[in-house]
Amino acid sequence: RKEVEQDPGPFNVPEGATVAFNCTYSNSASQSFFWYRQDCRKEPKLLMSVYSSGNEDGRFTAQLNRASQYISLLIRDSKLSDSATYLCVVNNHNNAGNMLTFGGGTRLMVKP
Amino acid sequence: DTAVSQTPKYLVTQMGNDKSIKCEQNLGHDTMYWYKQDSKKFLKIMFSYNNKELIINETVPNRFSPKSPDKAHLNLHINSLELGDSAVYFCASSQDLYSTFFGQGTRLTVV
Repeated sequence: RKEVEQDPGPFNVPEGATVAFNCTYSNSASQSFFWYRQDCRKEPKLLMSVYSSGNEDGRFTAQLNRASQYISLLIRDSKLSDSATYLCVVNNHNNAGNMLTFGGGTRLMVKP
Repeated sequence: DTAVSQTPKYLVTQMGNDKSIKCEQNLGHDTMYWYKQDSKKFLKIMFSYNNKELIINETVPNRFSPKSPDKAHLNLHINSLELGDSAVYFCASSQDLYSTFFGQGTRLTVV
């Protein structure tokens, strides 16, 4: 079993739609959680951190359920520019630094 | 200004050759990393260096040798390249738990 699992998609949605991605992780000791975005042939970039209380950044809302080891990302009012691969990431950091474990990514395609 | 820069961006080489990828960060971070993204797009950590010291080595073959001359640089040398080494290699750096910055990647193709 992979340590971080995501539905690979693709999710094909029209502009303006609301879309949700889910992710599960297996290491209950994981300390911090993120969503990264990766455009085709580009590096991953941090989209947002994910907190237990849930957090929102504009059209993006992230939720974490530690008991179920489940992370979600909701995108409202999808834009064409949201088309990308969304990577669920957990951090099993140690004293020396971050050890990011990535899911395989969920591909989103927003159509006009 | 590019925060994490790596060179070259593309590298095509024959099996058996030795090659290096260079990485530099101007963020003043203490920790640098190498990640590999294979053809199935899975990103996996290879190495972590903290202040020039190797901290994490995720069962990477010893043909891969990272070198950190100072905390702003982490280079990756690969000996005796194999077809299976073809991937995109990302350098990254971090200072805290919450943000890791990636370089643009080096697309290595072994023929």
